[in-house]
Amino acid sequence: QVQLQQSGPGLVKPSQTLSLTCAISGDSVSSNRAAWNWIRQSPSRGLEWLGRTYYRSKWYYDYAVSAKSRIIINADTSKNQFSLQLNSVTPEDTALYYCAREQSLSTLDIWGQGTMVTVSS
Amino acid sequence: DIQMTQSPYSLSASVGDRVTITCRASQSISSYVNWYQQRPGKAPNLLIYAASNLRSGVPSRFSGSGSGTDFTLTISSLQPEDFASYFCQQSYTTPWAFGQGTKVEIK
Repeated sequence: QVQLQQSGPGLVKPSQTLSLTCAISGDSVSSNRAAWNWIRQSPSRGLEWLGRTYYRSKWYYDYAVSAKSRIIINADTSKNQFSLQLNSVTPEDTALYYCAREQSLSTLDIWGQGTMVTVSS
Repeated sequence: DIQMTQSPYSLSASVGDRVTITCRASQSISSYVNWYQQRPGKAPNLLIYAASNLRSGVPSRFSGSGSGTDFTLTISSLQPEDFASYFCQQSYTTPWAFGQGTKVEIK
């Protein structure tokens, strides 16, 4: 079955870069039927979609406007994984971060286990 | 951007009760709504897609309805494992937006 395994640090200093990786098993990051999303959850903002990448003969990227100037999502086909980089973090970026697979009808059908990231000095 | 307004924020119910959660979209989104269950300490889990389609393996006591701007998730007879939080999500267009969630607690 398809699984997503997240990795990355749980503590990031203000102004630095948050980096998380989501390793895929049972599917391919290059699948032309899936998209690969990052979502975060906090008490103040609830579930907040950050962005996604997907491959349809070429790579596409969609980002939330709120994060567009600070966010990069990349796919690594050699490792079958995708990653999130969020630059210039502030305490407002403290949240539980999830990766998720998006399938037909834009359902988020498989989620990673979540990574709690705290932004603090 | 499309906003999703979910209600109630929380509810208390007993095992066997019928529970209804609603979600309203800020504009018409046809049937592009999905519903998720989230248990404490776990990631959200897809229950219903395209407003009324039950995901394979999800108990039939869960159902969804609605189209346009108003959507409903119903649990026909609440079971102990259903005490959790529930979220709607619009899948009409990015940015995907979620409702604020409904926490279903034991009365």
